[in-house]
Amino acid sequence: QQQVKQSPQSLIVQKGGISIINCAYENTAFDYFPWYQQFPGKGPALLIAIRPDVSEKKEGRFTISFNKSAKQFSLHIMDSQPGDSATYFCAASMLGAGNQFYFGTGTSLTVIP
Amino acid sequence: GAVVSQHPSWVICKSGTSVKIECRSLDFQATTMFWYRQFPKQSLMLMATSNEGSKATYEQGVEKDKFLINHASLTLSTLTVTSAHPEDSSFYICSARRGEPQHFGDGTRLSIL
Repeated sequence: QQQVKQSPQSLIVQKGGISIINCAYENTAFDYFPWYQQFPGKGPALLIAIRPDVSEKKEGRFTISFNKSAKQFSLHIMDSQPGDSATYFCAASMLGAGNQFYFGTGTSLTVIP
Repeated sequence: GAVVSQHPSWVICKSGTSVKIECRSLDFQATTMFWYRQFPKQSLMLMATSNEGSKATYEQGVEKDKFLINHASLTLSTLTVTSAHPEDSSFYICSARRGEPQHFGDGTRLSIL
């Protein structure tokens, strides 16, 4: 059973546009929601993360929107750049070092010049 | 930011040999380390969770005698793929965690001939 569902599977955006990736979860015990960026041949790198006590978090061009009642969260990349072309994974976890992260299936983003 | 070093980054070996992959947290003590396997264009598949000084917890379907995990210290975990076969060829990624978030290594590309 997929704990975290992610869409779309792939996304093509023009340079300067907004990229939006969505995730949904079922387990209301999750209380930590990170987004990771992965380039080919590299490990995932943390991009931004949010806890359920806030509805939005912004870091530079990256924003997480969180809807606790709908059990959904999304990543918005403003002013998308070709260098943003990568695979993005959302994840969910319960606080606590031993708890695993449940990853979405990934979104391949291509930003065309 | 926190750095996780994974070595080697790429290994090619003959079928039947054993391969050891190291994962080190360079600037923090990780209470928990995770090992993932990733197939092309797919999400991360958790193989096992290991805590320093205790036996690793393997996910369902992962052969613990095939994939030996040793978490010798708070900064080092190793994954040994024993008697490797072509079907074990994959991208293996480790991560380390102390609180939030989870930090990933850059992965090891394992190719079994």
